[in-house]
Amino acid sequence: ETGVTQSPTHLIKTRGQQVTLRCSSQSGHNTVSWYQQALGQGPQFIFQYYREEENGRGNFPPRFSGLQFPNYSSELNVNALELDDSALYLCASSLAIGTNYGYTFGSGTRLTVV
Amino acid sequence: QKEVEQNSGPLSVPEGAIASLNCTYSDRGSQSFFWYRQYSGKSPELIMFIYSNGDKEDGRFTAQLNKASQYVSLLIRDSQPSDSATYLCAVEGRSGYALNFGKGTSLLVTP
Repeated sequence: ETGVTQSPTHLIKTRGQQVTLRCSSQSGHNTVSWYQQALGQGPQFIFQYYREEENGRGNFPPRFSGLQFPNYSSELNVNALELDDSALYLCASSLAIGTNYGYTFGSGTRLTVV
Repeated sequence: QKEVEQNSGPLSVPEGAIASLNCTYSDRGSQSFFWYRQYSGKSPELIMFIYSNGDKEDGRFTAQLNKASQYVSLLIRDSQPSDSATYLCAVEGRSGYALNFGKGTSLLVTP
């Protein structure tokens, strides 16, 4: 059974640029959530996708967008990057909607905006 | 008031002692509670989850939940240096699908 894989592991971008982060969910998991973790903080919920539809969204601006594909892999896109977007971006997959199914986190993408 | 609050620490305990990590939450309607361990530079790893009032034990770990007091804790018995990490408390949000995390408590187990 493969886990959750994310790419790239590290990324450096310039303010104003756009970035795409990728996530392959754990086998059998049809739900993917994205979290942003700033240094010294707990992860913050960005949004969740279930069967290719956005199922819910946290308090993030529209320049944060996502996709989920038929194989349940997912992308997080961030436009017009700001310095405060520098963080660890975590993808988490689960068997279905609902926290009681548990989340498996990927190893994350460390984004640095300069 | 933050939805999930944890003492940031660091909490320092000697090897072999019991480490006690605490968390309070604001949403009385929350039903699911999780403890994650996060090593520096790594992603969170699920240790325990608890849904019912009382204690739940798994090996050296015990989660305790008191919904009336809106309080959840994690006890680590026979603490080992390898337990040194940040421990994140996570609570089901109002949505039922998003987790609200605390800032985490840094635990240091000294040999």
